[in-house]
Amino acid sequence: GAGVSQTPSNKVTEKGKYVELRCDPISGHTALYWYRQSLGQGPEFLIYFQGTGAADDSGLPNDRFFAVRPEGSVSTLKIQRTERGDSAVYLCASSLGPKDGYTFGSGTRLTVV
Amino acid sequence: DQQVKQNSPSLSVQEGRISILNCDYTNSMFDYFLWYKKYPAEGPTFLISISSIKDKNEDGRFTVFLNKSAKHLSLHIVPSQPGDSAVYFCAVRNSGNTPLVFGKGTRLSVIA
Repeated sequence: GAGVSQTPSNKVTEKGKYVELRCDPISGHTALYWYRQSLGQGPEFLIYFQGTGAADDSGLPNDRFFAVRPEGSVSTLKIQRTERGDSAVYLCASSLGPKDGYTFGSGTRLTVV
Repeated sequence: DQQVKQNSPSLSVQEGRISILNCDYTNSMFDYFLWYKKYPAEGPTFLISISSIKDKNEDGRFTVFLNKSAKHLSLHIVPSQPGDSAVYFCAVRNSGNTPLVFGKGTRLSVIA
């Protein structure tokens, strides 16, 4: 597609539930990044894929967070047993390669109630 | 232990005047520096960048200055326009294939 697409744009879920957030990167972009932006903060790195593999998952806060990119294109960020502190905007970005500029999607606003 | 600091959460500037946004970083291994702009309900968009081998990069109304000895960079916007009102994030990267590290952002308001 022309840009990075993230769905849903908004998600409200109850504490303890499981959620999946989807990211469709720009076609041909091999690098894909997930960031989280909490209120008043900058984007905080979560995980980076190069192709199908997670090249760096050092930003995932705990084992409730997991992400996949099985075919090297679409990625899904999965959060188990959601907590109120998980409420944030989850941003996805893609780039041609790790040293190229990032194009961000509009984000998914997750609210855990 | 923030690696990238934007110490001014907000800045207000009159239309037509200069806007100066500042960013400090801690790690001298960072070698590529970027500014992103973010409007509400949109993702950040790339604005301008500079590599560590330069001290200035200019693109139209936007100029980024890098002072490596002070580990400081700044973004100058002149003349400022109301459409420049947004949150500006400083981002840095080191020479490896590591992801960008972002500051907390500065909200710029350009008043007509």
